[in-house]
Amino acid sequence: GAVVSQHPSWVICKSGTSVKIECRSLDFQATTMFWYRQFPKQSLMLMATSNEGSKATYEQGVEKDKFLINHASLTLSTLTVTSAHPEDSSFYICSAGRNSGNTIYFGEGSWLTVV
Amino acid sequence: AQKITQTQPGMFVQEKEAVTLDCTYDTSDQSYGLFWYKQPSSGEMIFLIYQGSYDEQNATEGRYSLNFQKARKSANLVISASQLGDSAMYFCAMREGTGNQFYFGTGTSLTVIP
Repeated sequence: GAVVSQHPSWVICKSGTSVKIECRSLDFQATTMFWYRQFPKQSLMLMATSNEGSKATYEQGVEKDKFLINHASLTLSTLTVTSAHPEDSSFYICSAGRNSGNTIYFGEGSWLTVV
Repeated sequence: AQKITQTQPGMFVQEKEAVTLDCTYDTSDQSYGLFWYKQPSSGEMIFLIYQGSYDEQNATEGRYSLNFQKARKSANLVISASQLGDSAMYFCAMREGTGNQFYFGTGTSLTVIP
């Protein structure tokens, strides 16, 4: 079964509004989670590293004020797309790894459509 | 330089045949891990197989095997006895050291033909 869960799977929002996406590790604690964005037929682009209890680390070119990341607990990281615009429409996916073990688990992903 | 290179944007394979998806990587770390993920049209990333840089044997998981050639820095995925359900995007990824950050290739779209 899934060990990393993302919610919602699909979200449609109006331009100018904010939308929050949750990423949960279900049976392990994740001090670090990662948020990716994927455009159609392209690879995953790392947006930011979410660190429990501290500020997220953003990749170059990613607007931290637009993509707010909060990692308030060891099992939950949230990505909030603020003042969303149609160009923010994309597939967002998170990942987390157990502190022991070699596998990184991905959430189911979230399809965001801004209209 | 790209950390992970997948040179095959699209591949076709006949059902029940084997197919090899290419992946080369670039790192100066001695310790690293190589991963393959399958992404169907639903979007989820499904873990397929892992190869550690110190593993001497090629990894195998059911119909999946990883042809690890360290000197050539290649980690090709071999899918045997292809099934229609194997049609998907396949991503090669690398993790350097013990961190959790991944570097992804651009992916290969595999289509299995009946």
